[in-house]
Amino acid sequence: DGGITQSPKYLFRKEGQNVTLSCEQNLNHDAMYWYRQDPGQGLRLIYYSQIVNDFQKGDIAEGYSVSREKKESFPLTVTSAQKNPTAFYLCASSNGQTYTGELFFGEGSRLTVL
Amino acid sequence: AQSVTQLDSHVSVSEGTPVLLRCNYSSSYSPSLFWYVQHPNKGLQLLLKYTSAATLVKGINGFEAEFKKSETSFHLTKPSAHMSDAAEYFCVVSDPNTGGFKTIFGAGTRLFVKA
Repeated sequence: DGGITQSPKYLFRKEGQNVTLSCEQNLNHDAMYWYRQDPGQGLRLIYYSQIVNDFQKGDIAEGYSVSREKKESFPLTVTSAQKNPTAFYLCASSNGQTYTGELFFGEGSRLTVL
Repeated sequence: AQSVTQLDSHVSVSEGTPVLLRCNYSSSYSPSLFWYVQHPNKGLQLLLKYTSAATLVKGINGFEAEFKKSETSFHLTKPSAHMSDAAEYFCVVSDPNTGGFKTIFGAGTRLFVKA
């Protein structure tokens, strides 16, 4: 079945450590996105990529980094510069060729900073 | 500019009674509108979408929504709630001409269903 796979599902980190969240899709979608979800705030866009080897900052990119070396993969690194990294992180993709506004989501990764 | 407001942060209904989750939007163009559902610690799943075709949109699990341009609303309804409907629901507005980075999410409405 086609879909988006995020890993790990749960992650604990000590302050000062960088962590990388994985996102892989087999939908053949051009565009991929990372969102952060906090209670009562909906989803906020961290980074997005519309094509391989290109990505753009979203609304809350500070303290995060990404890469897009392959069409299928869009990993997110939460760096030590992110002041409040504890959150639920969601990866999504969309079909750039026939875009209707619909996003396809992974199951999310919950990061907790100890 | 575009925005979306979900008018209730929490809604509680009894099983078998109707569900109404309210959403108002603001957009300077003809938007696409969506409702997504999220169960705890899961990703978002598309319930239904409006993309300038019929104003009454039917989705999965018996949900439907009506696009009312004059009221700038896109309320989600279901005639009879089921326990499995308990989840968080997001109203979403997007410009289909620019790509997903213009997608705006509402803050969410948590639906509680009482037995």
